[in-house]
Amino acid sequence: KAGVTQTPRYLIKTRGQQVTLSCSPISGHRSVSWYQQTPGQGLQFLFEYFSETQRNKGNFPGRFSGRQFSNSRSEMNVSTLELGDSALYLCASSPLAGGPGEQYFGPGTRLTVT
Amino acid sequence: AQKVTQAQTEISVVEKEDVTLDCVYETRDTTYYLFWYKQPPSGELVFLIRRNSFDEQNEISGRYSWNFQKSTSSFNFTITASQVVDSAVYFCALSERNQGGKLIFGQGTELSVKP
Repeated sequence: KAGVTQTPRYLIKTRGQQVTLSCSPISGHRSVSWYQQTPGQGLQFLFEYFSETQRNKGNFPGRFSGRQFSNSRSEMNVSTLELGDSALYLCASSPLAGGPGEQYFGPGTRLTVT
Repeated sequence: AQKVTQAQTEISVVEKEDVTLDCVYETRDTTYYLFWYKQPPSGELVFLIRRNSFDEQNEISGRYSWNFQKSTSSFNFTITASQVVDSAVYFCALSERNQGGKLIFGQGTELSVKP
């Protein structure tokens, strides 16, 4: 089975721009979660989607949004980028929703905001 | 409040030494789940183990073992006879019953195994 894929792998954007990151979960997995990883804050939960519905959300401003499609693929969007948004964004998929199943992570998208 | 603390920021050992990575957690929920993940230099988090709050049995998988103690809210991870390939950042994480896929991660412990 193919693992979680994320595109693009690297991205450079300018302050004020917006960005969309994509995640394709493992086949058959219906839950997708997003995390932000920075040296200062570590790994922080952004949101979780299951069956196209957001089930849980972390403490991030409204500039961070996401969605899930009927094929379970997910996208996250960050609008009005700030320098502090530079981070590794990790997507994880799980076969379970509302439960603590193992989450399988993708390789991440490295976003640099200049 | 949920919190995971990994007090050891960096650990350096010589190959074949045993090493224990500490993890202390805080939760008010009686049903919760604990995880360990490995993040090698490539960046992808690799799942190692999940343990639920009702199962305090220690687990061994090859050179890896885990010690879960509810009395001290700890879930420590030991690597026996460490190898250079074990060099990575290791994260302990907590998930509560009603939080779905939300994982609360510790800050991570960077393990360096030198030949």
